[in-house]
Amino acid sequence: GENVEQHPSTLSVQEGDSAVIKCTYSDSASNYFPWYKQELGKRPQLIIDIRSNVGEKKDQRIAVTLNKTAKHFSLHITETQPEDSAVYFCAARGTGNQFYFGTGTSLTVIP
Amino acid sequence: GAGVSQSPSNKVTEKGKDVELRCDPISGHTALYWYRQSLGQGLEFLIYFQGNSAPDKSGLPSDRFSAERTGGSVSTLTIQRTQQEDSAVYLCASSSSTANNEQFFGPGTRLTVL
Repeated sequence: GENVEQHPSTLSVQEGDSAVIKCTYSDSASNYFPWYKQELGKRPQLIIDIRSNVGEKKDQRIAVTLNKTAKHFSLHITETQPEDSAVYFCAARGTGNQFYFGTGTSLTVIP
Repeated sequence: GAGVSQSPSNKVTEKGKDVELRCDPISGHTALYWYRQSLGQGLEFLIYFQGNSAPDKSGLPSDRFSAERTGGSVSTLTIQRTQQEDSAVYLCASSSSTANNEQFFGPGTRLTVL
């Protein structure tokens, strides 16, 4: 089955700086890669996703890049704000439509 | 419209007891997922339902865990003879059958086994 690894597990940045979270996957047949944000005590919510036929997708301060050859994808948050502080999860959809999640990155934006 | 709902929000039980957790997906969503999230950990896939197809149970950690989905809508996750290591937040998510595949999560049920 699919195996998704996520790094780093914790990340602290100064407000206004950029944050980058990286994930790797093992199943070359995986074709959909969403990113979720989970604030403390709340449910995960989709913030951006990318399909395997695209190399990059951007939505305001958030962007995701995908390298199919290397089987890794990354989340980029620019001009970070305190409200970006949360746990971020990457995921990969396997061939059976299951979703495999990374272990999460706890992002802290220091004002 | 209404999002995914789960009940109860919190459940405290004694070791050895059975528990049932309920999930009401978004109306019309054919796919339903159960995940387990232990403290400070990621989301562990448990089981996946798609329409009337046989569920994918490959993530269930033991035969104490089972789930059913009646009428293609509401789902119940049952844990028999609960153990302390079953303590976690159990999240349900649903998605439509379109190519979007965005999963919408419920608020979760926090299970504590004493």
